Amino acid sequence: AQKITQTQPGMFVQEKEAVTLDCTYDTSDQSYGLFWYKQPSSGEMIFLIYQGSYDEQNATEGRYSLNFQKARKSANLVISASQLGDSAMYFCAMRGYQGGSEKLVFGKGTKLTVNP
Amino acid sequence: DARVTQTPRHKVTEMGQEVTMRCQPILGHNTVFWYRQTMMQGLELLAYFRNRAPLDDSGMPKDRFSAEMPDATLATLKIQPSEPRDSAVYFCASGLISGGSDEQYFGPGTRLTVT
Repeated sequence: AQKITQTQPGMFVQEKEAVTLDCTYDTSDQSYGLFWYKQPSSGEMIFLIYQGSYDEQNATEGRYSLNFQKARKSANLVISASQLGDSAMYFCAMRGYQGGSEKLVFGKGTKLTVNP
Repeated sequence: DARVTQTPRHKVTEMGQEVTMRCQPILGHNTVFWYRQTMMQGLELLAYFRNRAPLDDSGMPKDRFSAEMPDATLATLKIQPSEPRDSAVYFCASGLISGGSDEQYFGPGTRLTVT
């Protein structure tokens, strides 16, 4: 079965510093995709970044980068130069296949608080 | 700026009543997802459609939940009869999914409270 684990319920970081949010996954699929979403207090879900299982380079999108370590099955999100607006819940997700059906699984999330 | 819209934004109902939530996906997107978010369970995929055909609804309680997509501009999620444990935020998302870096665009959610 596919599973996403986010071990940090909450994280704190000082403004302008970098922070890493952990995500490990479990799958027997060879082809899968990993995603990170941000959910501010307003409730909407915002796509941040994607990493394909066959991508050799780590994905980057502006201040977001995904530290993909396939052998360790980890897909940590790195946010550089944190801003107050980065305070939110962050969800790691994986798309794979189970029993012939496409499956999307989300982690429980990490609440990031950026302090001024 | 295209967005996924959901109605109603908030719904309070009594146990046993029927609840219907509606979603208008972004025009041109081929896949529509329904999620439920609670504090205890987090974000759960309930069902999704591709080109209006249901692909997977294994995350959905079959006895009381039903999801349909009567046309390309409307997806519905119905609960009948509703129970207090159904209280949650229900998100609809849509995307142009081809198996690669397919991001989903989420709607604002419907906050359902069943008393």
